[in-house]
Amino acid sequence: AQKVTQAQTEISVVEKEDVTLDCVYETRDTTYYLFWYKQPPSGELVFLIRRNSFDEQNEISGRYSWNFQKSTSSFNFTITASQVVDSAVYFCALGSGNTGKLIFGQGTTLQVKP
Amino acid sequence: GAVVSQHPSWVICKSGTSVKIECRSLDFQATTMFWYRQFPKQSLMLMATSNEGSKATYEQGVEKDKFLINHASLTLSTLTVTSAHPEDSSFYICSARDPGQGLVGTEAFFGQGTRLTVV
Repeated sequence: AQKVTQAQTEISVVEKEDVTLDCVYETRDTTYYLFWYKQPPSGELVFLIRRNSFDEQNEISGRYSWNFQKSTSSFNFTITASQVVDSAVYFCALGSGNTGKLIFGQGTTLQVKP
Repeated sequence: GAVVSQHPSWVICKSGTSVKIECRSLDFQATTMFWYRQFPKQSLMLMATSNEGSKATYEQGVEKDKFLINHASLTLSTLTVTSAHPEDSSFYICSARDPGQGLVGTEAFFGQGTRLTVV
């Protein structure tokens, strides 16, 4: 069975703090894809990153960084020097093969206070 | 990047009426589109996979007679909520895969979502 677990339901930090959002996944597929999306209050899903199962390189994009560890089936997301505009719900998702179908985690609500 | 447009953004309807939501791929042909539902403060749950020219594939527990999906062209899929009831009030969002990206590009492009309120 495929599953994505985001154990942190809500996180609250003060602006400029670093924050890590955890994501653990389960799959029996050898080829799969992991995603992070941001969902602001307006509801649309903002694509942040896609990582393929055969590429364990970590990635940094500005204040965002992602740590992919196949050994622990985790794909964690870190925001450095958080800002109020980072406040949103963040979803980790798992896609298998080339279907385009995604399984989402429960989401983590991040609140960044000024 | 590829763009998926969803319409309307929000809709309020009376209980017992039907509502149609459109999902269009604007700059690519999507043989497959997906419909998700999100209840307040919950995750996105896949409802069905919409295949151009054939019947949709529904996930377990989703009533296909209530949520009618039509994918008549390569750029348009529609979701019709029939005989809507207050418990159908939710955020519905579609996604489409650009087959031009090949096997590696399984990124699904999402529409803006439709917030349905049934009163």
